[in-house]
Amino acid sequence: QKEVEQNSGPLSVPEGAIASLNCTYSDRGSQSFFWYRQYSGKSPELIMFIYSNGDKEDGRFTAQLNKASQYVSLLIRDSQPSDSATYLCAGGMNRDDKIIFGKGTRLHILP
Amino acid sequence: NAGVTQTPKFQVLKTGQSMTLQCAQDMNHNSMYWYRQDPGMGLRLIYYSASEGTTDKGEVPNGYNVSRLNKREFSLRLESAAPSQTSVYFCASSHHQQVMADTQYFGPGTRLTVL
Repeated sequence: QKEVEQNSGPLSVPEGAIASLNCTYSDRGSQSFFWYRQYSGKSPELIMFIYSNGDKEDGRFTAQLNKASQYVSLLIRDSQPSDSATYLCAGGMNRDDKIIFGKGTRLHILP
Repeated sequence: NAGVTQTPKFQVLKTGQSMTLQCAQDMNHNSMYWYRQDPGMGLRLIYYSASEGTTDKGEVPNGYNVSRLNKREFSLRLESAAPSQTSVYFCASSHHQQVMADTQYFGPGTRLTVL
């Protein structure tokens, strides 16, 4: 069964520090990966997607993909209290309609 | 653009009652999805529709039916609600005409309680 694994947390990070969120996946056929942020009581919203090995940067966010190790991560630089949320990792295969979500990691930025 | 809309936002049912959750998207997306989210369980796919006229079961389809009414609308029906169906239900859509798995955009959710 295809799975995406995340540590549920909570992960507590001081304001201004780097938050590192990690995700592993079981299906080597997965090619596309997504990071969603979900505030309490709200719906998931996309932060980043990554298809290629290596790093992808967007503002304070960097997604990292290592297909050999089946590992995806999200780094948040200069963490802000507004970054406190649950972060969902998801992976999907090429040409597939579906993506598999992890259970999410709760991130708490300490003021 | 409103994106993905869902109605109702909240609903309380008694065991055995039926109801339909409505979802619509105005992004001209091909694929639509219904998920449920329970504490500690993450997002679980109930049903999805890859294109107008097609529907397929996801991970947890039992107790649910769906209808892809047209390209814009995808409804989820509970024929005989059970307390185990108490959850937050999210509808999502994606373009999915590309080679790679596509970004899904979520509606605001429906919070359903079955007594």
